[in-house]
Amino acid sequence: KAGVTQTPRYLIKTRGQQVTLSCSPISGHRSVSWYQQTPGQGLQFLFEYFSETQRNKGNFPGRFSGRQFSNSRSEMNVSTLELGDSALYLCASSSLTSGANEQYFGPGTRLTVT
Amino acid sequence: QKEVEQNSGPLSVPEGAIASLNCTYSDRGSQSFFWYRQYSGKSPELIMFIYSNGDKEDGRFTAQLNKASQYVSLLIRDSQPSDSATYLCAVNMGNQFYFGTGTSLTVIP
Repeated sequence: KAGVTQTPRYLIKTRGQQVTLSCSPISGHRSVSWYQQTPGQGLQFLFEYFSETQRNKGNFPGRFSGRQFSNSRSEMNVSTLELGDSALYLCASSSLTSGANEQYFGPGTRLTVT
Repeated sequence: QKEVEQNSGPLSVPEGAIASLNCTYSDRGSQSFFWYRQYSGKSPELIMFIYSNGDKEDGRFTAQLNKASQYVSLLIRDSQPSDSATYLCAVNMGNQFYFGTGTSLTVIP
């Protein structure tokens, strides 16, 4: 079974621009969560989508948004980029049918804002 | 405030020794607990999960859970240089995953 895929893997943007990142979950997984990882803050939860609905949201400004499509693929968008948005953005999928609801991560998108 | 805490390390052990990684969490109602391994420049990889008190073994890895003490640990037996990585503890609290900041482990040949 193929794992979680994320595109693009690397991205360089300029302050003020916007960016869209894509995530395809493991086949059959309907929950997709997004995280931001930086050396100083560790893994920070952005939001989680299940069946095209946002179920949980972390403490990030409204510049960070997401959506999920009917095939469970998800996108996240960051508008008006700031230097502090430079990070590894990770997507994780879960089936929500196993007892522990474990999450599996994709390879991540490394975003650099200059 | 829901929190997951880990010693940041670094933790160094000689090859063949047992590495012990610890994690505490704040929400007594938490049901499931996870250990991830993250190599430098890579994404986290799930090693194992546990949701019942006691020990769970998978190869050289043993997860231990004590809900009364709100404590979960990971033991790595016969540590190998390839085990050198950052280990992240995660707790599912209220249907949301909370991660610790990770413990850096170095296995010295």
